[in-house]
Amino acid sequence: QVQLQESGPGLVKPSETLSLICTVSGDSISSYYWSWIRQPPGKGLEWIGYIYYSGSTNYNPSLKSRLTISIDTSRNQFSLKLSSVTAADTAVYYCATRRKGIGIFDYWGQGTLVTVSS
Amino acid sequence: EIVMTQSPATLSVSPGERATLSCRASQSVSSDLAWYQQKPGQPPRLLIYGASTRATGVPPRFSGSGSGTEFTLTISSLQSEDFAVYYCQQYNNWPPMYTFGQGTKLEIK
Repeated sequence: QVQLQESGPGLVKPSETLSLICTVSGDSISSYYWSWIRQPPGKGLEWIGYIYYSGSTNYNPSLKSRLTISIDTSRNQFSLKLSSVTAADTAVYYCATRRKGIGIFDYWGQGTLVTVSS
Repeated sequence: EIVMTQSPATLSVSPGERATLSCRASQSVSSDLAWYQQKPGQPPRLLIYGASTRATGVPPRFSGSGSGTEFTLTISSLQSEDFAVYYCQQYNNWPPMYTFGQGTKLEIK
């Protein structure tokens, strides 16, 4: 069974870039599409985007101008970079698997809280 | 963007009773609808996809129905571990723009 673990700074200053890594274990990185989803404290879920092992991506249009998702197959990791952050980007960030051929999220990391504050 | 609206925001039900949660899409999503359960401090857990197919390991007391714009998640006999927040999610559009409902909190009455 695939396992995912998010890592990265828990505090980012406004206008800077939020960077997170998700480390994958337990399955081949070619088995899924690799996704990021976030949840502001006390609120609902927002899909951020996904990447396939080939490097192809799809992003939430509302974040696309600030967003980069990349993958390192040699390390079984994929990453998120979100630039020009504001307090509205404060959230728990989850990495998750998106099943091939269907846009559902089977396996999730535990999530990491990123706070945007000076 | 397809907007997903869940009702009610909070549902109070006694253990052993039935719970019915609703999800409405702003336009048809066919049967491309999933349900997730989230407990405090945990990530969401996939329960249902394809509107009515239970994910692996999900007990049969959970059932989903509906198509088009109206969907329902039913929990037939509530257990203590079922009290949580439930989200619906559509995955119908291309290019993908997956959207979630705002959640229904299922609490003990």
